[in-house]
Parts: sequence; structure tokens; C-alpha cells
Amino acid sequence: DVKVTQSSRYLVKRTGEKVFLECVQDMDHENMFWYRQDPGLGLRLIYFSYDVKMKEKGDIPEGYSVSREKKERFSLILESASTNQTSMYLCASSLNPSEQFFGPGTRLTVL
Amino acid sequence: KQEVTQIPAALSVPEGENLVLNCSFTDSAIYNLQWFRQDPGKGLTSLLLIQSSQREQTSGRLNASLDKSSGRSTLYIAASQPGDSATYLCAVREMGNTPLVFGKGTRLSVIA
Repeated sequence: DVKVTQSSRYLVKRTGEKVFLECVQDMDHENMFWYRQDPGLGLRLIYFSYDVKMKEKGDIPEGYSVSREKKERFSLILESASTNQTSMYLCASSLNPSEQFFGPGTRLTVL
Repeated sequence: KQEVTQIPAALSVPEGENLVLNCSFTDSAIYNLQWFRQDPGKGLTSLLLIQSSQREQTSGRLNASLDKSSGRSTLYIAASQPGDSATYLCAVREMGNTPLVFGKGTRLSVIA
């Protein structure tokens, strides 16, 4: 079975902190994705990556950056966390262009 | 720009009922369509993947159909159970290695 893991289920940070969200998949998938999910807004794509050291902006990249140094790991970085980045963050991976699998999510609260 | 719509936003049914969830998309040039389930506070679980060349896929009590020309997909759940209560999302992948475009989901409640 495909497994996508995220470093934390719940995270509480203060405004202005630098925040790292880590995602690891174990199926050698080329594609990896970061979404945020908010009530009433649905899933919104932040960044995605089709290969190591590659990244593409999604629909809402402002305030975020990403890093993909190894194929299995895709990190989302909040350079200076703000309260409007309080959200559920979901990581996903897929082979091209096949079934997509999600991690369990990280509930981030920025105080 | 591709848009995916799921109606209704919420649905409540008694246990044992057969039900249909709807998904529509504006551009029929899709590569595949995927149905997901999401429990509160959790990630998305893949239920079914339908390739554009397929008409339907089945898994247990779930059956998903695809009518690409009319831009519609349905997820049929037979003999619903309280454990089926969740939000169901559909998503389409357009041609090329492009990200999925998601609907906002239908929140299903199955009442015992």
C-alpha cells in the first residue's frame, strides 16, 4: 500500500515563526503536492513538484515556499507564519498521471 | 479553466438507502477522474479512479460512472451504512501531467 506520511498531526506556532511541514512518500512517486483546506473554500493547491529540485506554483503560493531535495520528501515552508495561515495542510503524491494518494493532514494553528 | 461542481453540498439519508452523489465538470477533455472520501479532521482516501476511456469502476458497494461527453460522473453507494458518513470529493485530471481539479465535496450523513 502507498503510504504518505506528514511530520505532525497538530502544530501550534506563533506569528512570525518559521514553520516546516514535512511530507514523505514511500512509493517512488514523481509527483508531490501541497494543499490547504479551509471550510467553504475546499482544497486549494499551494505548490507541486514533478521531480527532485523542481517546483511549480499552485493557486495560492503567496507566503509559502517548498523544497524537494530527495524524491521521497517534499517540504512546505512558511517563512514567517501569520494567523491567516491557520489551516489544515494536506500532502499528496502520485505517479504520472495516475491515482493520487494523500497523507493524514497537519492541523496548523498560528497564534 | 476547468471547474468541478458537486451538488448537493450536503445530504442526509436513512440507513439502508441506495444513493447517488453527483459531480460535473466544465471541460470534457480530461485524462481521468478520481473519487475520494474524507472523514472529519483526516486526509483524503482514494475510493475509485476512472480513466477517460472507461465508463465505470466498482469497488464493493461503490460504483462510479463517467460520461465524459456530458461532463458528469456519479458515485453510487448501495445499502448505505452509518459508517459511510463522510465528505465525498471528486477531482478531474486534465490532459498532460497536470494537478487534479477538485470539487468542494458532498457531506453525507447516514442516519441509523
